[in-house]
Amino acid sequence: EVQLVETGGGLVQPGRSLKLSCVASGFTFNNYWMSWTRQAPGKGLEWVASITNSGGSTYYPDSVKGRFTISRDNAQNTLYLQMNSLRSEDTATYYCTREGPGNWGQGTLVTVSS
Amino acid sequence: AIVLNQSPSSIVASQGEKVTITCRASSSISSNYLHWYQQKPGAFPKLVIYSTSYRASGIPSRFSGSGSGTSYSFTISRVEAEDVATYYCQQGSSNPKFTFGSGTKLEIK
Repeated sequence: EVQLVETGGGLVQPGRSLKLSCVASGFTFNNYWMSWTRQAPGKGLEWVASITNSGGSTYYPDSVKGRFTISRDNAQNTLYLQMNSLRSEDTATYYCTREGPGNWGQGTLVTVSS
Repeated sequence: AIVLNQSPSSIVASQGEKVTITCRASSSISSNYLHWYQQKPGAFPKLVIYSTSYRASGIPSRFSGSGSGTSYSFTISRVEAEDVATYYCQQGSSNPKFTFGSGTKLEIK
């Protein structure tokens, strides 16, 4: 059974940084692309970042490009999202997702506020 | 980026009624990469339909999907109280830059 467990969320001031982690189990981690998707309170779903199975390539939408960095440690079955220069509009629940539909973690809430 | 226009934004239905949600893509997508999710308050999105028309594990037969090219639909043949949720379409055809529809909130009269 695929399991994805996110940690690292919390309250952070605008302009500061935060790093999210996602520990994966139940599948061969280094065989799959991984992504982060977020959902602002009461809003829809927005893709945030993706990384190839080797970690060699990463992809971002314009809304976070240059501020967020996705990475992975295949030895530790862990996915990361480094978020810098955080803005109030980055407030959301962040979900770790695996390549292929339907593989989502429970999410971790990030609140950017002074 | 492929934009998904999902409609309606909300539905109020009676139990036993049939409801249909549509999802129109700004350009043609592969039906293999069009999926539908159900999200209940406080929960993560749950896969209902994958690859346009296949029900995910444990999903009742009253849920179905169809479509091709730029036009897709999701149907609940007889709505039940437990179906109250927000439903989203998602496309992965432009991998890795996948996108979601804006959501349809289903309520029961």
